[in-house]
Amino acid sequence: DTGVSQDPRHKITKRGQNVTFRCDPISEHNRLYWYRQTLGQGPEFLTYFQNEAQLEKSRLLSDRFSAERPKGSFSTLEIQRTEQGDSAMYLCASSLRVGLQETQYFGPGTRLLVL
Amino acid sequence: AQSVTQLDSQVPVFEEAPVELRCNYSSSVSVYLFWYVQYPNQGLQLLLKYLSGSTLVKGINGFEAEFNKSQTSFHLRKPSVHISDTAEYFCAASGGYQKVTFGTGTKLQVIP
Repeated sequence: DTGVSQDPRHKITKRGQNVTFRCDPISEHNRLYWYRQTLGQGPEFLTYFQNEAQLEKSRLLSDRFSAERPKGSFSTLEIQRTEQGDSAMYLCASSLRVGLQETQYFGPGTRLLVL
Repeated sequence: AQSVTQLDSQVPVFEEAPVELRCNYSSSVSVYLFWYVQYPNQGLQLLLKYLSGSTLVKGINGFEAEFNKSQTSFHLRKPSVHISDTAEYFCAASGGYQKVTFGTGTKLQVIP
């Protein structure tokens, strides 16, 4: 299977702990996106990378959140000092932009529960 | 910035009946439109997309959608639904680059 993969699929943590999620994009894709999805809502954009450069961050991304894509391949999303409001599904997507056209392909997500 | 509206949060439909899931988007100079499906506890799977060309787009699982620029709509249709189509469907729009804006989703419940 050569789709987008995410690890772990589920994470339960206590409030105040740090968590880190990993995303492995489709290998030839140069863009990688992180989204957050809460219950009853569509995914909301958090941040994206083109190769290793982080080009945009949403206002949703507080300074407790940090994302990296050190070699332009896999990416990590870290949440420090987790809060109950961080409980959500975190989705990763990758794409290959061709001209102005781009289609994002999503991974299975990491579901985070903060107790 | 793009915005996407899915007015129907839930749509119940009997098996083998036709269905239409509505989506409206805010107009933009250029817009690319997508429908994704999400099964419980899973990520999003691309159903179909409109980038350019023919306004009638066919996707996987027998779904199709029509891009209507004058009505700024991109409704999803299937002539005969199956139990396995029960899922949440998200309409999404992009200005051609960067982030995709999603609607709030429509839960399709197929009744046997």
